[in-house]
Amino acid sequence: DVKVTQSSRYLVKRTGEKVFLECVQDMDHENMFWYRQDPGLGLRLIYFSYDVKMKEKGDIPEGYSVSREKKERFSLILESASTNQTSMYLCASKDRGPYNEQFFGPGTRLTVL
Amino acid sequence: GQQLNQSPQSMFIQEGEDVSMNCTSSSIFNTWLWYKQEPGEGPVLLIALYKAGELTSNGRLTAQFGITRKDSFLNISASIPSDVGIYFCAGQPSGAGSYQLTFGKGTKLSVIP
Repeated sequence: DVKVTQSSRYLVKRTGEKVFLECVQDMDHENMFWYRQDPGLGLRLIYFSYDVKMKEKGDIPEGYSVSREKKERFSLILESASTNQTSMYLCASKDRGPYNEQFFGPGTRLTVL
Repeated sequence: GQQLNQSPQSMFIQEGEDVSMNCTSSSIFNTWLWYKQEPGEGPVLLIALYKAGELTSNGRLTAQFGITRKDSFLNISASIPSDVGIYFCAGQPSGAGSYQLTFGKGTKLSVIP
């Protein structure tokens, strides 16, 4: 089974802090994704990566950056956290090829005070 | 961008009843995926569909890829309390890259014992 893990289940940070969210997958997947999930808005793609050191902006990249130094690890960085970044953050991974199945981690619920 | 209309938004059913939910779009999709998300957890993939007309089962769950490629439905037979959660559809729009998924906003299922 694919396993996607996220470093924290719950985080509380203060406005202006730099925040790191870590995601690790153990299935040698090429593609990794960061989404945020908000009530009424569903899942929205922040960034994705299709290879080590490669990244593409998703639908809502503003205020975020990412890093992928190793294939299994994809980090989401909030350079200066703001209250409107309070959300559930979900990491996902997908194998190379035409199949679209993305496998999700358990999520990190981030609260910015 | 592409939008998926998922209905109903919520359902309250008696244990033992069958459940049906669907997703529709004005555009053609190449792939339909169905996920379940329990409170405080990440979405878990239930069923993947890749061909128009395809009907696939996973235990008590059955999903179909609509012939027009613009819709999909998920049925749950003989519901049990552990079926509680939010069910999401997701699809890859025709012409989009294999990494791109559009998500529905979910159907929240409550099962009354």
